[in-house]
Amino acid sequence: DAGVIQSPRHEVTEMGQEVTLRCKPISGHDYLFWYRQTMMRGLELLIYFNNNVPIDDSGMPEDRFSAKMPNASFSTLKIQPSEPRDSAVYFCASSLQGASWAYEQYFGPGTRLTVT
Amino acid sequence: SQQGEEDPQALSIQEGENATMNCSYKTSINNLQWYRQNSGRGLVHLILIRSNEREKHSGRLRVTLDTSKKSSSLLITASRAADTASYFCAYNSAGNMLTFGGGTRLMVKP
Repeated sequence: DAGVIQSPRHEVTEMGQEVTLRCKPISGHDYLFWYRQTMMRGLELLIYFNNNVPIDDSGMPEDRFSAKMPNASFSTLKIQPSEPRDSAVYFCASSLQGASWAYEQYFGPGTRLTVT
Repeated sequence: SQQGEEDPQALSIQEGENATMNCSYKTSINNLQWYRQNSGRGLVHLILIRSNEREKHSGRLRVTLDTSKKSSSLLITASRAADTASYFCAYNSAGNMLTFGGGTRLMVKP
């Protein structure tokens, strides 16, 4: 398997523009997670899905952020409009839940977003 | 969200030495995991220890868990320059969310 795939790897955009980040989870995994990593705040969970359904979006910072998972092999994280403080590395991760709550998450390479 | 605390925040050692990183948490847990992140890369799962386990080994890695103290440690023995990375603990308390610590930046000098 190719692992979790994210695109683009780098995105530079101007404030006010719409940004769409994409993720393809590992085939067969039923959980998908979106994280944001910054030096100041570390790794933050934004939202996660189970079987394509959003379960917890309490980490989404503002209404400017939205995430979708139209099918088991694709998810998007959209920021509209983008602001300089959204600059961060955004990671997608997927996992396959075991019966005993013991599971590991597989992370993608991340998208480095810079908003100028 | 960072509810786990790791120390030290940064650690610099010579190749061949052992590296110990500690993690503390605040809630009861189902399991605790350690991840590694190379610069500019995603996190990679290293090892998972369940709440009913006290110690686990994987190659040069040794993880301990003390649920009474709500703490865990990761020991890397005979470190190599290639071990240079950030190391994160993450614990699962309820549901499927992992709570990550702030990480320890390890530098292994050749």
